[in-house]
Amino acid sequence: DTGVSQDPRHKITKRGQNVTFRCDPISEHNRLYWYRQTLGQGPEFLTYFQNEAQLEKSRLLSDRFSAERPKGSFSTLEIQRTEQGDSAMYLCASRESMGSETQYFGPGTRLLVL
Amino acid sequence: AQTVTQSQPEMSVQEAETVTLSCTYDTSESDYYLFWYKQPPSRQMILVIRQEAYKQQNATENRFSVNFQKAAKSFSLKISDSQLGDAAMYFCAYRSAHTGTASKLTFGTGTRLQVTL
Repeated sequence: DTGVSQDPRHKITKRGQNVTFRCDPISEHNRLYWYRQTLGQGPEFLTYFQNEAQLEKSRLLSDRFSAERPKGSFSTLEIQRTEQGDSAMYLCASRESMGSETQYFGPGTRLLVL
Repeated sequence: AQTVTQSQPEMSVQEAETVTLSCTYDTSESDYYLFWYKQPPSRQMILVIRQEAYKQQNATENRFSVNFQKAAKSFSLKISDSQLGDAAMYFCAYRSAHTGTASKLTFGTGTRLQVTL
């Protein structure tokens, strides 16, 4: 098991375009989180999945953002009609259901919107 | 809502010396977890140490230890015998222990640690 992986690692897009990011959690981790980290700040929570169910969404997650986790395995985060303010690092983390309080983070996807 | 404050944007320590990074938090809950995460440049965030609020004993992991003061809502990280590889951004994070919540982490703004020769 190599940990949480994210793809792509970097994405440059033009304003108004749609982008999609993928996260593969540690196998058998049924809890998955998305965070956003802007320059000089700590990560901020976006959304949370338990298996395939999206159980919580932050107010930061505007209607241009959508996340899915089909079959409770990998997850995707899509941003529609990107804006320059969406430029950030998007982090994914996963956690076991029982016995561990630790979230394990992926390397992140750095998005730059021109 | 819970908040986490790291008042030291940058710290510097000489190799082999000891440094303490500060963190305070605000919560009305009595049961929670506190974490220190390390984020090296261009590398992923990794857990350094974790503290359960119900435990009075301070957590220790090799050269890393915490000073957890629940009444003061303070959670500092001490790094002993600092090494060049300790250079990174350090984030303090809070997580509620209440069941039925997302168990999301609330992070501070981070402290950038430089380690000099």
